[in-house]
Amino acid sequence: DAGITQSPRHKVTETGTPVTLRCHQTENHRYMYWYRQDPGHGLRLIHYSYGVKDTDKGEVSDGYSVSRSKTEDFLLTLESATSSQTSVYFCAITKGSSYEQYFGPGTRLTVT
Amino acid sequence: GQQVMQIPQYQHVQEGEDFTTYCNSSTTLSNIQWYKQRPGGHPVFLIQLVKSGEVKKQKRLTFQFGEAKKNSSLHITATQTTDVGTYFCAGPPGNAGNMLTFGGGTRLMVKP
Repeated sequence: DAGITQSPRHKVTETGTPVTLRCHQTENHRYMYWYRQDPGHGLRLIHYSYGVKDTDKGEVSDGYSVSRSKTEDFLLTLESATSSQTSVYFCAITKGSSYEQYFGPGTRLTVT
Repeated sequence: GQQVMQIPQYQHVQEGEDFTTYCNSSTTLSNIQWYKQRPGGHPVFLIQLVKSGEVKKQKRLTFQFGEAKKNSSLHITATQTTDVGTYFCAGPPGNAGNMLTFGGGTRLMVKP
């Protein structure tokens, strides 16, 4: 267990509404990531962070923003949710100098 | 950009049969990682291979990294129902060691 929690675990929202997903870690790891998982597409990187207030875009960043004001929290925001953003969202961290990633339990988001 | 492909996408086997999934990258990889995701769960790190031609075993699982460091395979001997899940390979794009590009995964289903 890498001490990663995600909230909420499930959310249903309407098109056009803002949504924020939270990833929380308890071990002060530097790198944190947000992925989305869709059938047939595996895991695709949305944004990642390499420190407080240090973030960068991943492969599928359009329509998403992130913030990291504290080491332990990495927030993913959908400013105006669309049905194409219906997905399962996973947060992950890497530990120290190791490149292996540890994932949170995921958030299932449905945009109606 | 880097692409990581996995085949097959799905595999049904009878319990006791062997299973192999193959991973191919469009670029040379500094390392390759394998993850397993149980149905309804989150990806869990299995192993990392770094050296050209490397072979590692974990009980009934055998992982190989190709000589050119562009392909890899995971072989499971005598599958069990506990092996059910989706297996992903992942490698860092370019020199970005702290980022990963995931393959689309191979979903393994085992009939008892």
